[in-house]
Amino acid sequence: SQKIEQNSEALNIQEGKTATLTCNYTNYSPAYLQWYRQDPGRGPVFLLLIRENEKEKRKERLKVTFDTTLKQSLFHITASQPADSATYLCALVLDSNYQLIWGAGTKLIIKP
Amino acid sequence: GAVVSQHPSRVICKSGTSVKIECRSLDFQATTMFWYRQFPKKSLMLMATSNEGSKATYEQGVEKDKFLINHASLTLSTLTVTSAHPEDSSFYICSATQGTDTQYFGPGTRLTVL
Repeated sequence: SQKIEQNSEALNIQEGKTATLTCNYTNYSPAYLQWYRQDPGRGPVFLLLIRENEKEKRKERLKVTFDTTLKQSLFHITASQPADSATYLCALVLDSNYQLIWGAGTKLIIKP
Repeated sequence: GAVVSQHPSRVICKSGTSVKIECRSLDFQATTMFWYRQFPKKSLMLMATSNEGSKATYEQGVEKDKFLINHASLTLSTLTVTSAHPEDSSFYICSATQGTDTQYFGPGTRLTVL
């Protein structure tokens, strides 16, 4: 069966450390993968997109990797801050119709 | 840029009434808009995809007569929940795309049906 898995347990990280979130998928061949941030009671906010032929993408303190062999994407936040606390969602895009297939998200808590 | 608004942000209604939610792209023309539903601690569930001037494409299991979608212009799409019942209570989120890879999301609408 097709599925996208993100760690359902909340991730607690000490401020200043690097937070790493995982997104695994099975039985999909995504054209690209996106990461979003969602705060409680708000819509998702786009963070990064990585294509199937890209290994790594960076944006300020954020880094995303994409391993199509392992069918996994890792999302890193370096020098984490309490303001980074939120739920982070990964989403796959299979083709050009722009529809996103979502993981359930991982709640990240950065402790001061 | 690429701001999407939704109105209202919260709505409480009685069972049996209809509720309309608006989704607007404020600073760009959206070729495609999407409507999602999200339950607590669950992933977003795509309900339908709409292109301006054409009928919406509904996902399997979503009743098109229950959730009416109108995409009358390149900046406005509406979702009407008809004859709402308590099980329709949820967080409804729209998104819009300019035809690129990225979807821009509205802030969501919390619907509570009593």
